[in-house]
Amino acid sequence: AQRVTQPEKLLSVFKGAPVELKCNYSYSGSPELFWYVQYSRQRLQLLLRHISRESIKGFTADLNKGETSFHLKKPFAQEEDSAMYYCALRRAAGNKLTFGGGTRVLVKP
Amino acid sequence: EPEVTQTPSHQVTQMGQEVILRCVPISNHLYFYWYRQILGQKVEFLVSFYNNEISEKSEIFDDQFSVERPDGSNFTLKIRSTKLEDSAMYFCASSELYGGNTIYFGEGSWLTVV
Repeated sequence: AQRVTQPEKLLSVFKGAPVELKCNYSYSGSPELFWYVQYSRQRLQLLLRHISRESIKGFTADLNKGETSFHLKKPFAQEEDSAMYYCALRRAAGNKLTFGGGTRVLVKP
Repeated sequence: EPEVTQTPSHQVTQMGQEVILRCVPISNHLYFYWYRQILGQKVEFLVSFYNNEISEKSEIFDDQFSVERPDGSNFTLKIRSTKLEDSAMYFCASSELYGGNTIYFGEGSWLTVV
């Protein structure tokens, strides 16, 4: 079975400070990992996926298969980063997403 | 940019009533999904749909749920006899292809069963 764990429900940081959102997963095969973001009153949007290895809005995430983690990082948080962030897993040959519980990020001025 | 649209945004219904939630997926997408999120809980997969049939469903998706693509644009989720525990945000989503593709979500339909 697939499981995604986001241990922090809330992260509160000051503008300009680094932010790291933790995501751990359990899956016996080769997963695809994603971060979705939901800004206030908006839809879930894909932020980034591990196979792209790109940086979106200053965020990066590295898949660590040894630690089964896919933590999301940004060196300098901005107020507009305040949102709900969801880590999600999809098995390589599938199309169903398994979500973590989400982390609310609050960036204070 | 094309978007998945959902109606209604909010519906209140009495326990035991039938509810239909509607979705218009992105036009060139072939795979359609419903997810739900009970307040304070995780976003959970309900069902995926391709080529006019269910391709995968979760344990949550029991006989009281059904999905349909009644015409070329709409994708619906029907709950036959709603229960209090069906109160949740229901998200429709679509993707162009199977696996490896981005899944795009609608804004959600908030269902309250009283």
